[in-house]
Order: sequence, then C-alpha cells, then structure tokens
Amino acid sequence: NAGVTQTPKFRILKIGQSMTLQCTQDMNHNYMYWYRQDPGMGLKLIYYSVGAGITDKGEVPNGYNVSRSTTEDFPLRLELAAPSQTSVYFCATQGGRGPYNEQFFGPGTRLTVL
Amino acid sequence: DAKTTQPNSMESNEEEPVHLPCNHSTISGTDYIHWYRQLPSQGPEYVIHGLTSNVNNRMASLAIAEDRKSSTLILHRATLRDAAVYYCILRDVDNAGNMLTFGGGTRLMVKP
Repeated sequence: NAGVTQTPKFRILKIGQSMTLQCTQDMNHNYMYWYRQDPGMGLKLIYYSVGAGITDKGEVPNGYNVSRSTTEDFPLRLELAAPSQTSVYFCATQGGRGPYNEQFFGPGTRLTVL
Repeated sequence: DAKTTQPNSMESNEEEPVHLPCNHSTISGTDYIHWYRQLPSQGPEYVIHGLTSNVNNRMASLAIAEDRKSSTLILHRATLRDAAVYYCILRDVDNAGNMLTFGGGTRLMVKP
C-alpha cells in the first residue's frame, strides 16, 4: 500500500498563478487534512474533510479551496498565489473518529511563490 | 484544545535514554496526550498516545503524571535516526474534526 501520496514534490509559482496540490490515499480513511508548515514552525490546519462531499475550514483557509468528491482524493487549490503561501504543504488522513486515532502524513509538497 | 509547553531543543548522546518533557497544566479530563515526531524533510509521524496510564510501544514509552499536568516521552536508546522535532499534542473528544494542533515542539539532537 502506498499510504498517502502527494504530487508534486516541488513547485515554483509566480505571483498570481494558480495550481492544485494533489493528495491521494489508499487506506479508505474518511478523515483527510491539509496542513501547511512555514520554516521553523509547527503545522497549521488549512482545511479538513470528514468524508466524501464534506469539507470544513481550519485555522488558515484564506487563499485556498478544497473539494472531496471521492474517499481517495482531497485536492488543495491555490488561486492567485501570493508570496505568503510559500510553505511546505502536508496532506494527512485518519481512519476513524475519536482523539485516540493516529494521523498518517504524506511526504509533503514544497511550494515557492516568487 | 489545551496548550502544551515543551523545551525548544534538547541534546542526547547516541545509545543513551532520552526524556522529552511536556507540560499541559490546563489539560481536561477528556484530553488524550499524543506525541508525533518529524524527521528532517519528512511529514510528521505518530509516536505514541495515552490518556491516564503509562504506555509502551515499539518506538517509545509515555509516562503520564498522576495529575496529568505533565508527561514525558522516553526513548530508551537514542539513535542518530531519532534526531527530529518531537511534538506533544492534546486531543479532545469534542474536537469534531479530530485535527492536530501543533506547537513548536522540541528539536532533539543526537550526538554520535
């Protein structure tokens, strides 16, 4: 099993461009998350989903959009990229509800906006 | 979720035990204590979690104070591969989205 995969690994965008970060999981987990991590900081939650068709905002949702049409995929869309969105983006999944379940993280996408 | 306080960094020698402390004085009775670690250039990975009792798994041990206001992650024999940032995180049953709230963590350096 691949677990959580993210593409691309690296990307450089110009200010104002748009892109979609892909996240796919093969663990049949209902819960999926997008976090961002700025240099030297902990992760911050952007958006999350508790199942196909259901998404909700996290701590830092501005400038991003998500969709969840299938259990497997949870893409993150950046519209009008800004330098403040330069960060490493991590997708994560969780199998069940409850604070005793662990989250599984992908390898991350390193995004630079110039 | 309640906040946690961890030292910014710690050093250890290879093959020696490491005790990573975490203070969570405002913990509620339903908060689970989780530890994740992040190796360089990788996503975080789960280490261990507990509620009230001490816990052991293949990676580490978690010692929880009797009043639950602090906990300690114990790596029994540090290896160079254990050099990472360790995050202590509280997770509440009322957290509908079950998201993780990361603080700054403790950067563990392991000397050969």
